[in-house]
Amino acid sequence: KAGVTQTPRYLIKTRGQQVTLSCSPISGHRSVSWYQQTPGQGLQFLFEYFSETQRNKGNFPGRFSGRQFSNSRSEMNVSTLELGDSALYLCASSSHTLGGEAFFGQGTRLTVV
Amino acid sequence: GENVEQHPSTLSVQEGDSAVIKCTYSDSASNYFPWYKQELGKGPQLIIDIRSNVGEKKDQRIAVTLNKTAKHFSLHITETQPEDSAVYFCAASIEDSNYQLIWGAGTKLIIKP
Repeated sequence: KAGVTQTPRYLIKTRGQQVTLSCSPISGHRSVSWYQQTPGQGLQFLFEYFSETQRNKGNFPGRFSGRQFSNSRSEMNVSTLELGDSALYLCASSSHTLGGEAFFGQGTRLTVV
Repeated sequence: GENVEQHPSTLSVQEGDSAVIKCTYSDSASNYFPWYKQELGKGPQLIIDIRSNVGEKKDQRIAVTLNKTAKHFSLHITETQPEDSAVYFCAASIEDSNYQLIWGAGTKLIIKP
C-alpha cells in the first residue's frame, strides 16, 4: 500500500509569510503526528490528530497550528515565519491499535530567508 | 511526564564491530519501546521494538534489551556494515488509548570502513 505522502518536499519562504504543509497518511490510519527536526537535533513533537481532533500537543508557540480532515489527511500551518522555523517537518501516521507502528513520510524541507 | 535520554549522541565503530546505544526513561508506566533508524534524506523507520513483558528481542543482527528495574533499554547491532550508518532514535510510550511516543535525542552511528 502507498506510504505517507508529504507535500511539498521543499519550500522557500520569506520571514513574516505563512506556510501550509500537507500530509496524506496511509489508508486506514486515523492518527497523524507532526514533528520538527532541525540539523543535528532530534524529533520535536508538534501535535497529533486523531479522528479530526487534536489529541496531544507539544511545546510550540501558537503560530504553529494544524487540522485533520474527515479522510485523515492533515495540514500544518505556520504563520509569521521566523528564520528559526527553517527545518525538516515530518509527519507520521499510525493506526493506533496497540503496538501501532508510526510510519513517517520523507518530510518537507522548509527554508525561511 | 515521561523523559527519555539517549547516549551517546555520536558513535563511531569499525566495520564488523558491535555498536550499542542506550536510553533511559523516567516514567515506570511506560511499556512500549521502539527504535527507529533515519537514513539521510528519509523519515525515520521502525527497526525493532520491545514491550515491558519481555527482557530481550532479536532480529538478525539487531537486538534490544530492556531493564525495567533500572528503567533503561539498549539497542545492539552486531557485525556492523556500512549501511548501518544512520541516525538512530529510541522512544518510550504507554500503550493506552492516548499513547504518545516520547523520543530520545538521537545517535549518529558512523561505520568506519
